[in-house]
Amino acid sequence: DAGITQSPRHKVTETGTPVTLRCHQTENHRYMYWYRQDPGHGLRLIHYSYGVKDTDKGEVSDGYSVSRSKTEDFLLTLESATSSQTSVYFCAISEYGGSNQPQHFGDGTRLSIL
Amino acid sequence: GESVGLHLPTLSVQEGDNSIINCAYSNSASDYFIWYKQESGKGPQFIIDIRSNMDKRQGQRVTVLLNKTVKHLSLQIAATQPGDSAVYFCAETSGTGNQFYFGTGTSLTVIP
Repeated sequence: DAGITQSPRHKVTETGTPVTLRCHQTENHRYMYWYRQDPGHGLRLIHYSYGVKDTDKGEVSDGYSVSRSKTEDFLLTLESATSSQTSVYFCAISEYGGSNQPQHFGDGTRLSIL
Repeated sequence: GESVGLHLPTLSVQEGDNSIINCAYSNSASDYFIWYKQESGKGPQFIIDIRSNMDKRQGQRVTVLLNKTVKHLSLQIAATQPGDSAVYFCAETSGTGNQFYFGTGTSLTVIP
């Protein structure tokens, strides 16, 4: 299994609070991704990173920000959480990005915004 | 936008039988496809991939078929086992960026 650790695995918080999710990898891969998974939808890309301090938006980036200060860590922040952000969040990594190879996923963070 | 979906949301098969899971895609420029398996409470797990210059690729007990003419992808699992019970979904990308598009999944249940 790819060395990907997501933390926390579960979180319950209130609307309006800030939330940060962490993804840590031990594979030294260049590309890291944040997705959300909701019933009736396939995984949807929030943000991704193609190197330290290099990030870009995905299709559902509104309300989220990311940071990558080290190769191994990719943080996803909800500045002011809303109930619509209740979801399961997955981090993924790939060595080269694009269509060269698959992305490998962590086991997710289940986030509930009350 | 992209459209990646599955024909059947659920599939039940008898242990030992073969399973076929289907996926349709809409972007004719897609050139790389992946099948993932997702067990309850876990992240998606890579099963097999195929590039658009191929029609078929085999792995251990799994085969992926790609029909570019009708933009259809299928995953065949031979001698299905209880451990194969999971949600399976396809993903595709056109290679022009880092955007993969994922299907919603088919839930496979293996009956012992």
